[in-house]
Amino acid sequence: DQQVKQNSPSLSVQEGRISILNCDYTNSMFDYFLWYKKYPAEGPTFLISISSIKDKNEDGRFTVFLNKSAKHLSLHIVPSQPGDSAVYFCAASANNNDMRFGAGTRLTVKP
Amino acid sequence: DAGITQSPRHKVTETGTPVTLRCHQTENHRYMYWYRQDPGHGLRLIHYSYGVKDTDKGEVSDGYSVSRSKTEDFLLTLESATSSQTSVYFCAISETGQLFQETQYFGPGTRLLVL
Repeated sequence: DQQVKQNSPSLSVQEGRISILNCDYTNSMFDYFLWYKKYPAEGPTFLISISSIKDKNEDGRFTVFLNKSAKHLSLHIVPSQPGDSAVYFCAASANNNDMRFGAGTRLTVKP
Repeated sequence: DAGITQSPRHKVTETGTPVTLRCHQTENHRYMYWYRQDPGHGLRLIHYSYGVKDTDKGEVSDGYSVSRSKTEDFLLTLESATSSQTSVYFCAISETGQLFQETQYFGPGTRLLVL
């Protein structure tokens, strides 16, 4: 069973606009959430994270929002740039050594 | 960038043959992980190691074995490769293994095709 779901396989936005990537999870024990970014032929790289004690974390153009009651998190990129074009993975972990990943969303930012 | 290398980067093999993938790190991190990435599934944990000679199974461990004889090297072996093991394999490392408060660093991946 997939405990972390990214229901949109792809997203296309115009340069300068906002990109919103969504992620849902089913395991209420998850208490730490991360977003990874992946370019072709490279490994995923860490982008931003949020603990379950917060509902928002911001780092420059990237903001992650967590809605625990809805078991939903989202990544906002403002403004979007062509270099942001990549596959974004949502991940979640509980208080153990188990990290679960979503299937990924491919973001394309058009100039 | 974290010092993680994987070898080989690409491999084509035949069903039934043994295959070993190598992950090498220069960060002296205690924890090392092997994941596979497949369309529609994201990354799934195969095995991980929490120290030399200390390993444990992950979510999709069937058909795979691992070994860690040195801190810097983590080997993934497919004893008898099957077509369902065609995938992209990623190695990752973390310092404490406390994945609820730290991130993992990933290697560049190995693309394996089993014919």
